[in-house]
Amino acid sequence: GDSVTQMEGPVTLSEEAFLTINCTYTATGYPSLFWYVQYPGEGLQLLLKATKADDKGSNKGFEATYRKETTSFHLEKGSVQVSDSAVYFCANTGGFKTIFGAGTRLFVKA
Amino acid sequence: DAGVTQSPTHLIKTRGQHVTLRCSPISGHKSVSWYQQVLGQGPQFIFQYYEKEERGRGNFPDRFSARQFPNYSSELNVNALLLGDSALYLCASSPGGGSRYTGELFFGEGSRLTVL
Repeated sequence: GDSVTQMEGPVTLSEEAFLTINCTYTATGYPSLFWYVQYPGEGLQLLLKATKADDKGSNKGFEATYRKETTSFHLEKGSVQVSDSAVYFCANTGGFKTIFGAGTRLFVKA
Repeated sequence: DAGVTQSPTHLIKTRGQHVTLRCSPISGHKSVSWYQQVLGQGPQFIFQYYEKEERGRGNFPDRFSARQFPNYSSELNVNALLLGDSALYLCASSPGGGSRYTGELFFGEGSRLTVL
């Protein structure tokens, strides 16, 4: 069945460091891919999305490219800030549902 | 504009009891999905309702049921509660559902259920 696997956390970085959170997926057909973020004390919210192969989603300095050949959608940011500390979830659509990974907690130190 | 609202925010029940959770979607959204999030894990899909019909169901027992009302609000019901049902229950709305589902979800802040 469809699934999403993302790197385990927590990931701890210093401010201005480069961030990569790996995500791979399995799916039948051609899913859309997403990154959602959950900031402390807040609800889950969409960060970025890509709907077809080679699309790049971007938002708030974060980027992820839909790689069909490697079934991956890795999240990157060139320079993280303390305010980026949150839990990040990779997700794909499987028909009528969205399937989430287990989440990766990011801590950014000042 | 109001986002997705859920009630109650927290509740405590004992094993064997029944619970009803409520959700109001963003105005104009016709689809509501329910997810269960156990601490430290990602949300697990329970149901999708679109235009008042069930369009999808996840791998949950029949103790879980839901419905959607004419105003597109929704209820999730869980019967015969087990300790393992303790979780954060998330409601999410989207403009389309069924074959028009795009995967983009707008979440409420959840109802945290504790079963003792």
